[in-house]
Amino acid sequence: KNQVEQSPQSLIILEGKNCTLQCNYTVSPFSNLRWYKQDTGRGPVSLTIMTFSENTKSNGRYTATLDADTKQSSLHITASQLSDSASYICVVSWSTGRRALTFGSGTRLQVQP
Amino acid sequence: DVKVTQSSRYLVKRTGEKVFLECVQDMDHENMFWYRQDPGLGLRLIYFSYDVKMKEKGDIPEGYSVSREKKERFSLILESASTNQTSMYLCASREGGRGNQPQHFGDGTRLSIL
Repeated sequence: KNQVEQSPQSLIILEGKNCTLQCNYTVSPFSNLRWYKQDTGRGPVSLTIMTFSENTKSNGRYTATLDADTKQSSLHITASQLSDSASYICVVSWSTGRRALTFGSGTRLQVQP
Repeated sequence: DVKVTQSSRYLVKRTGEKVFLECVQDMDHENMFWYRQDPGLGLRLIYFSYDVKMKEKGDIPEGYSVSREKKERFSLILESASTNQTSMYLCASREGGRGNQPQHFGDGTRLSIL
């Protein structure tokens, strides 16, 4: 069964600190992995996408990594800001079918001043 | 920018009512999706559509139906609302094909069934 598990479920950090969110998956055959950010009361917005051949990709203060061998991804946030407070959702696509997506349940990040 | 608009942010209905949730996208996307989002469960796919008048069941279609008469509009219908359908409902759209395009989400409808 295709599954995506994220950890931790929730995280509280102080403004300016770094943090790393984890995503483990069992999806096969793998196509790509995407991280979304969901602000409270809003829909998810795509942050970055990782394909099979990519190990690291940055988008400003966000850096995603992918290890396709161990089926793990991480999202690292550098120098956190209050606006980073949100849920971060890992979504994995597999290679067959029109609706081939599996969503993680998300990590809720709270950045405190 | 892609805009996905859901007709209501908050909705309160009674058990047994027929409920319509509307979603409109402005980017001529072929694919549209309806999800529900519950704490600890993540997003779960209810139905999706890959073309006008075409639809496929997602993971939790029971108690729901959909309609796509025009490309830009995708409606979710709760045939006879029940309290266990109280949830956040999210609509999304995506370009056609099976490439790496992201889904673009609306801001959700928080539906309460009393």
